Amino acid sequence: QVQLVQSGAEVKKPGASVKVSCKASGYTFTSYGISWVRQAPGQGLEWMGWISAYNGNTNYAQKLQGRVTMTTDTSTSTAYMELRSLRSDDTAVYYCARDSSGWTYGPGTDFDYWGQGTLVTVSS
Amino acid sequence: QSALTQPASVSGSPGQSITISCTGTSSDVGSYNLVSWYQQHPGKAPKLMIYEGSKRPSGVSNRFSGSKSGNTASLTISGLQAEDEADYYCCSYAGSSTDVVFGGGTKLTVL
Repeated sequence: QVQLVQSGAEVKKPGASVKVSCKASGYTFTSYGISWVRQAPGQGLEWMGWISAYNGNTNYAQKLQGRVTMTTDTSTSTAYMELRSLRSDDTAVYYCARDSSGWTYGPGTDFDYWGQGTLVTVSS
Repeated sequence: QSALTQPASVSGSPGQSITISCTGTSSDVGSYNLVSWYQQHPGKAPKLMIYEGSKRPSGVSNRFSGSKSGNTASLTISGLQAEDEADYYCCSYAGSSTDVVFGGGTKLTVL
């Protein structure tokens, strides 16, 4: 069965960086992209960006350009999301989600499997 | 402020039908048949309920249906059940410069 298992909760100070991992299993990793979505406490969902596990193409949300980097390691079927220069409003649960569109040139909107979420707390 | 506009809350009694709207623009909902809907229970990850506007993933009840008219997409839930009480989010492709946008979410209360 398809599973996305994320790394554990993190506490970071403002200005630091965080790297969240998302290990996939149960499907051919390179056949689908991964999107990252975050949710601040009590707030809605926010799309952060997408990476093709096939060719490494990325698309990032404009508001995060320059602070976020998404990568994959196809040898371990793992996707990573690194966010730098953390601020208090980056405190959120971060989710990875499989993009079932299978496109390699850009993201779709069909996120059929999700990780369990990783709470990142930014506090001094 | 979210790119897509949803009502903050809707409610209905068991057995009734409700519809949640998702209003975008001609740059997102109106231009692409790439609207999806997600259900999220408290403390849980979102679950895909509708994709490509009106398609249901395997395992999703046929009580859930999606449609679109112009710049507005809609999710209809018929035969409301207590377990449908959750937050619902719409999501749309918005072109190569914006990519993907979510609605602000709608809290469904089953009375």
